Amino acid sequence: DIQMTQSPSSLSASVGDRVTITCRASQAISNYLAWYQQKPGEVPKLLIYAASTLHSGVPSRFSGSGSGTEFTLTISSLQPEDVAIYHCQNYDKATLISFGQGTRLDIK
Amino acid sequence: EVQLVQSRAEVKKPGESLKISCKGSAYSLTSDWIGWVRQKPGKGLEWMGLIYLRDSDTRYSPSFQGQITISADKSITTAYLQWSSLKASDTAVYYCARHLLWAFDIWGQGTKVTVSS
Repeated sequence: DIQMTQSPSSLSASVGDRVTITCRASQAISNYLAWYQQKPGEVPKLLIYAASTLHSGVPSRFSGSGSGTEFTLTISSLQPEDVAIYHCQNYDKATLISFGQGTRLDIK
Repeated sequence: EVQLVQSRAEVKKPGESLKISCKGSAYSLTSDWIGWVRQKPGKGLEWMGLIYLRDSDTRYSPSFQGQITISADKSITTAYLQWSSLKASDTAVYYCARHLLWAFDIWGQGTKVTVSS
């Protein structure tokens, strides 16, 4: 199985800050990496797929990058409505799908 | 706009069986894969399995193989998740979601399953 590990597990940042969340795979993976945002009490929403493609309707302050074993989600200027848990998810032809454990993001 | 509508919340006793559903609002879903994802209280997302609605080709996560059954009825664009004997540890919210371009782009509203004696 491919293990996906997110860091940090939680973080607090101020409005306007640049925030970066990392997702590391236990082995090199294709760029079939997605990021989701789950606000408290809500359903997860797709933010980014194929490592760096912004899903329709997602604000441009969100971006994704990376390759190999390390991928990042960046929020260029944190907004109050960005408080959420962020999940990464890998797709692999052999092992199919695995999620990271999630990163909780709060406002300072 | 394609939507996935899941069945209502359930409260069950250990050992009971359960089948929950996920209905798609568009015929085009018959060409899609639908996945099931578990989220235990206060925890992350866990992928359970995928089913291709057109021919019911099914793939299971090794963590859930043998514990659940995923099925579908393409005539009513509906996917199902079932248990033959629930355990307290099955208490969770279960989401269905469309799997497209290696990600889950459309999610159902979730079905909360509570298993308690």
